[in-house]
Amino acid sequence: EVQLVESGGGLVQPGRSLRLSCTASGFTFGDYAMTWFRQAPGKGLQWVGFIRNKASGGTIEYAASVKGRFTISRDDSKSIVYLQMNSLKTEDTAVYYCTRDRVTTDYWGQGTLVTVSS
Amino acid sequence: DIVMTQTPLSSPVTLGQPASISCRSSQSLVHSDGNTYLSWLQLRPGQPPRLLIYKISNRFSGVPDRFSGSGAGTDFTLKISRVEAEDVGVYYCMQATHFPLTFGGGTKVEIK
Repeated sequence: EVQLVESGGGLVQPGRSLRLSCTASGFTFGDYAMTWFRQAPGKGLQWVGFIRNKASGGTIEYAASVKGRFTISRDDSKSIVYLQMNSLKTEDTAVYYCTRDRVTTDYWGQGTLVTVSS
Repeated sequence: DIVMTQTPLSSPVTLGQPASISCRSSQSLVHSDGNTYLSWLQLRPGQPPRLLIYKISNRFSGVPDRFSGSGAGTDFTLKISRVEAEDVGVYYCMQATHFPLTFGGGTKVEIK
């Protein structure tokens, strides 16, 4: 059974950093791109970025709103994808989801809440 | 960025009756590889998003056959043939053909 479990969320002050993890199981992690999305309170879904698998170059794409502040990486040996979030802003407050694949986004984790507030 | 326009905003439906949601994109969603990466996702209260339909009309594993997707190019539709109580939630179309990936504004399906 495919499972994705996000962790690392919490309350953080503006300007600080946080690293989210998404631990995958139930499939060959290294075969897939992995994508991050978020949903701010009362708002719709927003794409954050994704990382291709190594066979496709392992390259990364980011949404304009997070480019230069957020970094996605992966550890295929541990089946984990990370989202390093720096220079956090109040508008980054959201539930963050990781998903498998970059076009189908077939499986979603339960999400982890990030609250950016002083 | 590709703008995804979803209608209606809200869809009150009688149990057992059909529901239909429209999604229109500002540009064609046909990828250079020939696929059209248009998906439909369901958000139920307190739950993460759930993929219902991918590549316009492919039902994801475990999705009831009362859900169907259709369309081409820039116009797409999600239909629920007979709405059940468990279908209450917000439905989003999403395009993954162009960067950045973008979503429609959502359609709230509720029971009359």
